[in-house]
Amino acid sequence: QKEVEQNSGPLSVPEGAIASLNCTYSDRVSQSFFWYRQYSGKSPELIMSIYSNGDKEDGRFTAQLNKASQYVSLLIRDSQPSDSATYLCAVTNTDKLIFGTGTRLQVFP
Amino acid sequence: DAEITQSPRHKITETGRQVTLACHQTWNHNNMFWYRQDLGHGLRLIHYSYGVQDTNKGEVSDGYSVSRSNTEDLPLTLESAASSQTSVYFCASSKDPGNTIYFGEGSWLTVV
Repeated sequence: QKEVEQNSGPLSVPEGAIASLNCTYSDRVSQSFFWYRQYSGKSPELIMSIYSNGDKEDGRFTAQLNKASQYVSLLIRDSQPSDSATYLCAVTNTDKLIFGTGTRLQVFP
Repeated sequence: DAEITQSPRHKITETGRQVTLACHQTWNHNNMFWYRQDLGHGLRLIHYSYGVQDTNKGEVSDGYSVSRSNTEDLPLTLESAASSQTSVYFCASSKDPGNTIYFGEGSWLTVV
């Protein structure tokens, strides 16, 4: 079992819709969770971090964490074509970040 | 503005040659990391350092080495380049272990 699992996609959503990206992790003691966005040919950039159970909102983005289910998700409201990218979930493993393989999101006009 | 820079950005080398990828950060972060990114594998940790003179192996360290002689730099050396090391390499840094890491722009390495 991979430490951090994501559906590779592509996830295709129409412009203006809500995109839901999911991630599961295997290490129950993980404490910190991150979502990165990566455009093709570019480096990953941080979108959000979340540390406690529940929801955390930042503009059009909402991160959701459920430690009991070992599940973290990212919702993107009012999706725009500029949101088309690969979204990487990252989870701490003791003192290091372990990344999932990413979900490719396509937002079509 | 503080930043993290990698060089070279693109390099083609021959099998068996030694290659060094440079990474320099101006955030004064203690923690620095090298990842490689390949289709189907995502980002995999090669080596990391939590401070000067500290280096540690990640999950895919074979064939790679790093040294940390100052806070700002963590060069990655491929001792004898192999075609399997053709990849995109990202350097990253963070203030605290297990916390947000910030990436450089990447180095595209092709081994022929």
